[in-house]
Amino acid sequence: EPEVTQTPSHQVTQMGQEVILRCVPISNHLYFYWYRQILGQKVEFLVSFYNNEISEKSEIFDDQFSVERPDGSNFTLKIRSTKLEDSAMYFCASSPGSNTGELFFGEGSRLTVL
Amino acid sequence: AQSVTQPDIHITVSEGASLELRCNYSYGATPYLFWYVQSPGQGLQLLLKYFSGDTLVQGIKGFEAEFKRSQSSFNLRKPSVHWSDAAEYFCAVSSGSARQLTFGSGTQLTVLP
Repeated sequence: EPEVTQTPSHQVTQMGQEVILRCVPISNHLYFYWYRQILGQKVEFLVSFYNNEISEKSEIFDDQFSVERPDGSNFTLKIRSTKLEDSAMYFCASSPGSNTGELFFGEGSRLTVL
Repeated sequence: AQSVTQPDIHITVSEGASLELRCNYSYGATPYLFWYVQSPGQGLQLLLKYFSGDTLVQGIKGFEAEFKRSQSSFNLRKPSVHWSDAAEYFCAVSSGSARQLTFGSGTQLTVLP
């Protein structure tokens, strides 16, 4: 069964460093998403991406964050200068269309900022 | 703004017992409602969803949920729990575009042998 894959599964970084989290969505899906879950808190929407541009983003998704689909298969989340509060589990998801309602999630990338 | 409340942080049931996980939502229009499950080390897997129509929806793994507009609820049920159901369960709501999900805080389910 096709699945969303994420790398790395866990990354430890120093505050102020740039981090890139990578995702390979399901191949025929059109919408891509990043969500995050800070330990002990809710899963929160960050951004959705369609047709090579951001379609929606939350207040969390500030100028420190960017997304890219560099090669037609990968979907990346970049955090330019990490802060302690960026420590979280980051989930990538994809969906075949906007109204199916089913997002297929990856297993997550745990980011620890020291 | 839409919101989801899962009042039970942790529920423990015995294997074979019935299960009900509560979910209440706040949303101005008819919501799209979802239940996801997360097993340890796994991603979020969709159990079931409600868009419209029959208010009792069936999902995978023997789960069902009932949409009650009058109570703003979408509770998840299973008649007989299996040990493999131990996981964290998330209720979520979205608008018609279904692109941005708002999640509840999750309910951790423990199943006793």
